Amino acid sequence: EIVLTQSPGTLSLSPGERATLSCRASQSVSSSYLAWYQQIPGQAPRLLIYGASSRATGIPDRFSGSGSGTDFTLTIGRLEPEDFAVYYCQQCGSSTYTFGQGTKVEIK
Amino acid sequence: QLQLQESGPGLVKPSETLSLTCTVSGGSISSSGYYWGWIRQPPGKGLDWIGSIYSSGSTYFNPSLKTRVTISVDMSKNQISLTLSSVTAADTAVYYCARSPDWYYFDFWGQGTLVTVSS
Repeated sequence: EIVLTQSPGTLSLSPGERATLSCRASQSVSSSYLAWYQQIPGQAPRLLIYGASSRATGIPDRFSGSGSGTDFTLTIGRLEPEDFAVYYCQQCGSSTYTFGQGTKVEIK
Repeated sequence: QLQLQESGPGLVKPSETLSLTCTVSGGSISSSGYYWGWIRQPPGKGLDWIGSIYSSGSTYFNPSLKTRVTISVDMSKNQISLTLSSVTAADTAVYYCARSPDWYYFDFWGQGTLVTVSS
């Protein structure tokens, strides 16, 4: 099973700042298989990025994804108040899905 | 717009079977190229994939849950069903159904339903 480790666990930032979230895989993952989600408390996860770098429909361009192999990054260019949430990465290799444990982006 | 809605008992006793249904509207579950999955989230914790089914009926499961999980589809009702047997308190979670285009990611999610395992 491919394990995804996200860092940091919590990111404390102010609105307008840049957020950089990391997702590291225990073995190489095809870029096609890497996605990112945002989850606001009490809501279902929302797809942000698929294929490591493609934005989902309706996602603002301040969200961007990058990376390959075992290291992937989600960047939020300038934090808006609605961006403070928990973010998860997900991979789908070997006919299974696994999620990272999440990174919480909180208001500093 | 595609919508998914989970339904089922909110309370299940230990050792019994959890049964949930996901009703899909605004699209057909028989459309080719789409998988339908179940994901759960224990209170205050992260996301855990349970299993997925293709319109053909092919199923895929989390190895850690495989012996206890069944997933099926009812095309006539446009529904996906989940059963999880021999539940314990560790199965207490919000259960989500979601659509996956071509397997890779989940693009539409239901709002989720909380299932508590307790006597």
